Amino acid sequence: DQQVKQNSPSLSVQEGRISILNCDYTNSMFDYFLWYKKYPAEGPTFLISISSIKDKNEDGRFTVFLNKSAKHLSLHIVPSQPGDSAVYFCAATSGTGGFKTIFGAGTRLFVKA
Amino acid sequence: NAGVMQNPRHLVRRRGQEARLRCSPMKGHSHVYWYRQLPEEGLKFMVYLQKENIIDESGMPKERFSAEFPKEGPSILRIQQVVRGDSAAYFCASSPRSSGLTGELFFGEGSRLTVL
Repeated sequence: DQQVKQNSPSLSVQEGRISILNCDYTNSMFDYFLWYKKYPAEGPTFLISISSIKDKNEDGRFTVFLNKSAKHLSLHIVPSQPGDSAVYFCAATSGTGGFKTIFGAGTRLFVKA
Repeated sequence: NAGVMQNPRHLVRRRGQEARLRCSPMKGHSHVYWYRQLPEEGLKFMVYLQKENIIDESGMPKERFSAEFPKEGPSILRIQQVVRGDSAAYFCASSPRSSGLTGELFFGEGSRLTVL
């Protein structure tokens, strides 16, 4: 039962251009959506989040958009930098059921110099 | 301010042996979560614990796996009679009560279990 889906296993982008990572979810009860970044041999690190009552949150080069009617969110990185090359996980959490966070399978981003 | 500490970083076990993975949460954090990442897959929730309490273990396999978070000391994920399919990276995360609803978790670097 994949409640959070990232359908693109990888994405390649030129340095300086925009990276758009997508995520779909099925559970309308999710309260918060988050993006985590993971480098090899390291644990995931929190990047940015958005409440289910918002449709956009921006932090520097990173913007997350939420479309509740489509149950879809996306992470925009602009401009992309080589150091952004990592695996990005979409995640969602619900206040019911013990605050469990559900992760997608991840999208590997390659930013070419 | 130390982050989430996991040990061992790497563990090799033969089939049938026991594996114990330890996790010390960040200072001030009272919530601990364990996740498993199989090769080429995402993070799968296993268990959520608070001190001396298991809050949600819906992601734990029914047999051979157990977790605890005692009043004193680290959280322990225990896998008995390991099989090759248990080979994975096991990540521990912690959160303070205030971020429990938003889901922001602080992860350790993971423990990589290899079963021969």
